[in-house]
Amino acid sequence: DAKTTQPPSMDCAEGRAANLPCNHSTISGNEYVYWYRQIHSQGPQYIIHGLKNNETNEMASLIITEDRKSSTLILPHATLRDTAVYYCIVPRIDRKLIWGLGTSLAVNP
Amino acid sequence: EPEVTQTPSHQVTQMGQEVILRCVPISNHLYFYWYRQILGQKVEFLVSFYNNEISEKSEIFDDQFSVERPDGSNFTLKIRSTKLEDSAMYFCASIPFLAGDYEQYFGPGTRLTVT
Repeated sequence: DAKTTQPPSMDCAEGRAANLPCNHSTISGNEYVYWYRQIHSQGPQYIIHGLKNNETNEMASLIITEDRKSSTLILPHATLRDTAVYYCIVPRIDRKLIWGLGTSLAVNP
Repeated sequence: EPEVTQTPSHQVTQMGQEVILRCVPISNHLYFYWYRQILGQKVEFLVSFYNNEISEKSEIFDDQFSVERPDGSNFTLKIRSTKLEDSAMYFCASIPFLAGDYEQYFGPGTRLTVT
């Protein structure tokens, strides 16, 4: 299983971009990187995923390095409602999600 | 937008009692999961379910746990004889397809308190 490493916590000012890094140096060629978030004990919420190319949707952008060993989730204009724990996960082939402790993002006014 | 629903939102039970946690996955989804999260800890995989049988279960999912899809819409998790350490948030999740995207859709969770 590809293991991921994330900083335990980050701060961001409201309205600014939040850049959340993730290392996944053991990822294999056909494994995707997924990002989820969990707002205070609510059900986890899917954000975005990618394989090689950078991806963007209405919630966020995902930048994956060329060697695929790390990625960055970007929330372009963070709001207070983006305060949450963000998880970077490389799902197993059987789709089971193995959760780490994630990055606790605090968006400050 | 379709969503996964879970009932009840909060269940309080006494140690040794049986509880059934209910989930209604999104209607065309094929793969179902239960996860739990003890307060302040990681989300933990419990069990996956496909084609009316368990695909995989974790070490946590012992003989006290069972899952069922009784009527093609509900997906239930039963704990036969609850222990204090079963107190946690329980999340149901589902995915639509067998191949391709692994985006899991999660329900809001059931908070189980065992006293």
